Amino acid sequence: EAQVTQNPRYLITVTGKKLTVTCSQNMNHEYMSWYRQDPGLGLRQIYYSMNVEVTDKGDVPEGYKVSRKEKRNFPLILESPSPNQTSLYFCASSSGHTDYEQYFGPGTRLTVT
Amino acid sequence: ILNVEQSPQSLHVQEGDSTNFTCSFPSSNFYALHWYRWETAKSPEALFVMTLNGDEKKKGRISATLNTKEGYSYLYIKGSQPEDSATYLCAPYTGGFKTIFGAGTRLFVKA
Repeated sequence: EAQVTQNPRYLITVTGKKLTVTCSQNMNHEYMSWYRQDPGLGLRQIYYSMNVEVTDKGDVPEGYKVSRKEKRNFPLILESPSPNQTSLYFCASSSGHTDYEQYFGPGTRLTVT
Repeated sequence: ILNVEQSPQSLHVQEGDSTNFTCSFPSSNFYALHWYRWETAKSPEALFVMTLNGDEKKKGRISATLNTKEGYSYLYIKGSQPEDSATYLCAPYTGGFKTIFGAGTRLFVKA
C-alpha cells in the first residue's frame, strides 16, 4: 500500500531535549516536505526536499533541521525544542513539485513542556 | 511571501444545499493550483491539481474551476452531505519550490 508514515504519532517532551520525528514514503517520490499546523494559522511549510541531499527552508524553519540521505526518508530534527514548537506536524511527499498532488502522513502531535 | 486568500473562512449549510468557495492568488508566474480536503483528525487529501487557465475538474459532487489571468479558483459542492464537512485548502504554485497553503474554508454541513 502506497503511504507516508510518521513516527511517533504522539510525543510529550521537555524543553531542550533533542528529538527526531521520522518520515518515510514507499512511493519513490522525489519531493518531500514538513509542515506544522497551528490553530488559526493553517499549514505552514517548515522545510522541503527536492531530492536526496537537496533541502531548503520553507516559511518557518527556525528551530528545525532536516536531512535527506535516502530518497524514502526525511526526518525532522528539533535540536532544542521549546514550547512554541508545540504543534501538529505533517510530512508529505509527491512525484514532483507543481503538477503532482502531495500525499500526507498521519501527523505527529508534539507537546513541549 | 505569496498572498493566498480563501473565502469564506467558514460556512454552515444544510444538507442538500449547494455551495462554493474561493481561492485567490497572485496571477503572475502561475504554474499550478492544488485543492485539498482535510477532515478533522485526519490528514489532508488531494482533490484536484489544476494547471491551465479555464481548467475545470470534477470528482463526484465536487468540482473546481481555474482562472489564472485574474488569479482565482472556485470550488463547488453540489448537494452538500454531512460527510462533506471538512476544511478545504488551496495551494497555488507561482514559481519557486515552496508550498504556500491558504488558511482554508471550513465547511459544516448539517443533516
